[in-house]
Amino acid sequence: DTGVSQDPRHKITKRGQNVTFRCDPISEHNRLYWYRQTLGQGPEFLTYFQNEAQLEKSRLLSDRFSAERPKGSFSTLEIQRTEQGDSAMYLCASSSPYLGDTQYFGPGTRLTVL
Amino acid sequence: ELKVEQNPLFLSMQEGKNYTIYCNYSTTSDRLYWYRQDPGKSLESLFVLLSNGAVKQEGRLMASLDTKARLSTLHITAAVHDLSATYFCAVEDGSEKLVFGKGMKLTVNP
Repeated sequence: DTGVSQDPRHKITKRGQNVTFRCDPISEHNRLYWYRQTLGQGPEFLTYFQNEAQLEKSRLLSDRFSAERPKGSFSTLEIQRTEQGDSAMYLCASSSPYLGDTQYFGPGTRLTVL
Repeated sequence: ELKVEQNPLFLSMQEGKNYTIYCNYSTTSDRLYWYRQDPGKSLESLFVLLSNGAVKQEGRLMASLDTKARLSTLHITAAVHDLSATYFCAVEDGSEKLVFGKGMKLTVNP
């Protein structure tokens, strides 16, 4: 069990650029979640997949954000036309309803938009 | 809309002392989690509480859940410096996603 992995760990970009993050869940987990965490706050839910189906999206997820999980394994989160307010830690988590359903978090991708 | 409140948000305590921190939530839920986060790191799962009256213990930490009061407590016994971290409670809102509190930053001083 290698845990949830995320890539890159850090991303610095200029305002207006597009960025894409990747998340690889724990292999037996069919549920995958994206959260965003800003300094001094708890994580906020963005979106959730069960297998390849995106089942829920937060109101926080503007139309500049898109997430995919094409084969029900890894997932990508893309932010188009980044804004300074997008600077945050983006956390991915995975779980399985057959293994207790606890969400296990990856190390996160820290995004800085200049 | 489910809201989760933690208190206190900051705690500085001496090694060897005991303390209890609180997590209140606003609507019925079946699951409550406690996570630990070290600076610059991700979240580590500590406890999952699934039913009224559930109590779980790991080392110097003990968590309990009262679903009728919509309250969970995390009790720290004989604190040590290694417990210094931010502790989050999170409640499942009925649709698999977690709603987190703001976290409680704990500093344990020698």
